[in-house]
Amino acid sequence: GDSVTQMEGPVTLSEEAFLTINCTYTATGYPSLFWYVQYPGEGLQLLLKATKADDKGSNKGFEATYRKETTSFHLEKGSVQVSDSAVYFCALSRGSTLGRLYFGRGTQLTVWP
Amino acid sequence: DGGITQSPKYLFRKEGQNVTLSCEQNLNHDAMYWYRQDPGQGLRLIYYSQIVNDFQKGDIAEGYSVSREKKESFPLTVTSAQKNPTAFYLCASRPGGQQETQYFGPGTRLLVL
Repeated sequence: GDSVTQMEGPVTLSEEAFLTINCTYTATGYPSLFWYVQYPGEGLQLLLKATKADDKGSNKGFEATYRKETTSFHLEKGSVQVSDSAVYFCALSRGSTLGRLYFGRGTQLTVWP
Repeated sequence: DGGITQSPKYLFRKEGQNVTLSCEQNLNHDAMYWYRQDPGQGLRLIYYSQIVNDFQKGDIAEGYSVSREKKESFPLTVTSAQKNPTAFYLCASRPGGQQETQYFGPGTRLLVL
């Protein structure tokens, strides 16, 4: 079945460090891929998405490229800030499954000044 | 402002009691979803609804019930049959059709007394 595997956390970085959070998926067909972010005590916010192979999603300095050959959608940011501290979720959706999302377990990121 | 509201922010349940979590959206979205979030487990789908008066079970529907009498409302009842209800509950909505992005409410934290 459809599933998403994310890098285990927590991830702790100093401000201005480079960030990578790995995400791989299993799905038939051509799913859409998403990264959501959750700040403490809040709901999830869409960070970026990609709907087909080789698409790059980007937002707020974060990027992820849809790699079908490696079934991956790794999240990257060149220089993290303290305000980026949050939990990051990778997810996939296939239109044939009534729009439901399959989530990874989430990766906690803490950035120190 | 358009968005999704969930109430209450915190809810306490006594043994044997049913409680209902509210989810309202004014985005005119067709589809609505309920997820449960436990630490380190990501989000798991409880129920979802594509249109008014229709809904489907997700992966962990046992001990929960829903209704969809109005397009803008999708309340979730946690029944006494749910033996481990302590969790963070998130409601989401999606425009429908080919639009796959889901938008989340702020969540309700349910605690058992």
